[in-house]
Order: sequence, then C-alpha cells, then structure tokens
Amino acid sequence: SQTIHQWPATLVQPVGSPLSLECTVEGTSNPNLYWYRQAAGRGLQLLFYSVGIGQISSEVPQNLSASRPQDRQFILSSKKLLLSDSGFYLCAWSAGTGGLAPLHFGNGTRLTVT
Amino acid sequence: DAKTTQPPSMDCAEGRAANLPCNHSTISGNEYVYWYRQIHSQGPQYIIHGLKNNETNEMASLIITEDRKSSTLILPHATLRDTAVYYCIVRKAGGTSYGKLTFGQGTILTVHP
Repeated sequence: SQTIHQWPATLVQPVGSPLSLECTVEGTSNPNLYWYRQAAGRGLQLLFYSVGIGQISSEVPQNLSASRPQDRQFILSSKKLLLSDSGFYLCAWSAGTGGLAPLHFGNGTRLTVT
Repeated sequence: DAKTTQPPSMDCAEGRAANLPCNHSTISGNEYVYWYRQIHSQGPQYIIHGLKNNETNEMASLIITEDRKSSTLILPHATLRDTAVYYCIVRKAGGTSYGKLTFGQGTILTVHP
C-alpha cells in the first residue's frame, strides 16, 4: 500500500531563517505531488504541484519554492522566512494516471515563525 | 470549479447515521463531487467521490441527486472517531487544475455518546 511521510511534525523558526520541509511517498511510481498550506482558521491553499522530476508549477507567488529531486520526494524551501509563512503545511500525492485520482495527504508540518 | 455550500456544523449520536448535505447548484457536466474530512491537527482524508451515480465504499455512501445540484454523504454508523470537519468539493475532470482542490469551510460534525 502507499504511504506518505512528512517531517518534521512541528517546527519553530525565527524570522529570516531558512526552511526545508521534506515529503516522501512509498508504494507508488510517478505520483503527482502537491504542497498545500492551511492558515489558522482558513481553508487549504495549493502552493505547488509537480507531475514529474524537476517539474514544478507554482500556484501563488510567495516567499517559498519547491523542488522534486527524485520521483517520490518533494521538498518545500525558503531562503528567509517571514512571519506570514506560519501555518500548517501539507504534502499530498495522487496517482499520475489521470485527472480524477483522489489526493492523499500527509499529517502535515505545523510551522511557527517567531 | 463550482462552489459548494455546507452547513457549518452538525451533531450526531454515536451509532446513528450521519447525513451531511452539500449544495452545488452550479455544477457542470464534467465536474465530480468529492468528500474529504479533516480530524483536528491531521491532514485531510479522502472519503469518496462520484459523478452522478450513488457510490459506496467501506467508509461511507454518497448520494447525488438526479439533477446533480446537491449530494449527501452518509456515515452509516457514526463513531466518536468520526468527529471532524467534512469538506464537499467539486472537481473538474482533466486539465491542469486537477490537483487544485478548493476547500471551503466545511461542516464540523460532532459525534456524541
């Protein structure tokens, strides 16, 4: 069966520090990968998605970037965190066989920028 | 994607069926109805999806009206662990927007003993 791993579960970082969140998927090949963010009391916002190695699409301009160095690895980064980057970051995957496959989410990273 | 409307909260007694409604009156012919739930401090969990026929899996049943303007998610025997925020999402088939799920405010379902 497929599993998705996201770490760390919680993170407290000072303003201006770098960020690296990692997500890996097991049990599937060539998945579509996604990074979402959920601000406190708000809905989920799609940040990035990837349909293959090195292929990244950004949904919103921001202080963050994403990379996909391997088929089942997705990384969310920032060079300098802002207070507004605080939130609940979720990685998700879906089967890359069409546009209707459900998304499966990891358990998220709760980031607090101080 | 079509907008959805859900009640902000619902209660259900443990062991009884929970029926969560969703209105999607502007849904188009190539849009599917998806249901997810989010238990506090966890990632959303996929429950079920459908186009126009009723669907059932090990978690729930999805009833879509004939005109497709509304649907109901049914948890047949709710347990305390089903307490969560339930999201009804309309998603267009194909295209490059397939990963862009638009989560609304959802319905907070509270299952009580």
